[in-house]
Amino acid sequence: AQKVTQAQTEISVVEKEDVTLDCVYETRDTTYYLFWYKQPPSGELVFLIRRNSFDEQNEISGRYSWNFQKSTSSFNFTITASQVVDSAVYFCALSDFKAAGNKLTFGGGTRVLVKP
Amino acid sequence: DTAVSQTPKYLVTQMGNDKSIKCEQNLGHDTMYWYKQDSKKFLKIMFSYNNKELIINETVPNRFSPKSPDKAHLNLHINSLELGDSAVYFCASSQGLGVQETQYFGPGTRLLVL
Repeated sequence: AQKVTQAQTEISVVEKEDVTLDCVYETRDTTYYLFWYKQPPSGELVFLIRRNSFDEQNEISGRYSWNFQKSTSSFNFTITASQVVDSAVYFCALSDFKAAGNKLTFGGGTRVLVKP
Repeated sequence: DTAVSQTPKYLVTQMGNDKSIKCEQNLGHDTMYWYKQDSKKFLKIMFSYNNKELIINETVPNRFSPKSPDKAHLNLHINSLELGDSAVYFCASSQGLGVQETQYFGPGTRLLVL
């Protein structure tokens, strides 16, 4: 069965600090996709990134970067030079072929609080 | 233009009532979903539809009945509301059913059952 674990429930940092969010997943499939979503205090879910299981290249988008390591089944997310606007709950999610109907399995989320 | 919209945004009602939540997407997607987010922020899929056909029904009580009148709409009707139904309900859509498809979420409907 698919499973996504975000062990950190809450992280508090001071503005300009870097913060890394851990995501560990379980799947028996060889083809799968991993996603990160952001849920700001306003409540909506915002898509951040999608990564497929065959592409282990790290990705950088502005202050955001993602580190995918199949060997450890991890897809970690780093915010560099955090800002107050980064305060949100961040979710890691998994979709694989065995999940009928493109079901997303979400981790429990990590709440990031960036203090000025 | 809002890609995935839901109405209402907030819903406060009494136990035992019946209520509906509406969802519309203007992305031209074929697949739509309902997710439930509980008080601990845990997100779980409830239903998915592809071209108006039910694909996923994830052990949801029969009191919940989705309806898809067309590809752009997926509504959720809840009968005999219970306290435990209080949650945020998210609608989402994706281009298709493929595992690679990104799901785009609506703003959520916050349901409070008193």
